[in-house]
Amino acid sequence: AQTVTQSQPEMSVQEAETVTLSCTYDTSENNYYLFWYKQPPSRQMILVIRQEAYKQQNATENRFSVNFQKAAKSFSLKISDSQLGDTAMYFCAFMKETSGSRLTFGEGTQLTVNP
Amino acid sequence: SQTIHQWPATLVQPVGSPLSLECTVEGTSNPNLYWYRQAAGRGLQLLFYSVGIGQISSEVPQNLSASRPQDRQFILSSKKLLLSDSGFYLCAWSVRTVFDEKLFFGSGTQLSVL
Repeated sequence: AQTVTQSQPEMSVQEAETVTLSCTYDTSENNYYLFWYKQPPSRQMILVIRQEAYKQQNATENRFSVNFQKAAKSFSLKISDSQLGDTAMYFCAFMKETSGSRLTFGEGTQLTVNP
Repeated sequence: SQTIHQWPATLVQPVGSPLSLECTVEGTSNPNLYWYRQAAGRGLQLLFYSVGIGQISSEVPQNLSASRPQDRQFILSSKKLLLSDSGFYLCAWSVRTVFDEKLFFGSGTQLSVL
């Protein structure tokens, strides 16, 4: 079974600064996907970024980028130029290539962006 | 465009009462459907998933059941609720294309069992 660990329950950052959220996972699979989801106070789950394990290049989406270290089983999220609207719970998630969209989630990191 | 409807948004039920949460998807056909639960301050846990009408797979043993009577309808049920069934329930759907598979979530139901 796969496990996803987010070791930072809470983090805070000043507006316009950069913050990195950590995520590690454990799996014996070779082909899989990793995700970061954002859950704002509205509780809507919003996909932030996705990484295919077979791709060496780190995924980027505007101000969001990841540092994917497959050998270390690490998948951190970097948010640049933090905005107040980035305040949310962030979840790291794992999906086997053959499992459809059955995701295994971490426990989440509450990020607060301060003005 | 595809949309997912989940209701009710909030529900307060006494212990021992039945439960029925409904989720419908519009704008797509033959989606994979999922029920996730989020306990307070925790991550999401997959409860059930369905790849077609009448096809339900359970991920964890529990007091709940799921049904898919129509292609785009997914129902979460219980005959007798327990206190431990309290949580935030999210329905989701996905469709696989040649390029990838994306998962989309509904707006969720906050269930409080008292």
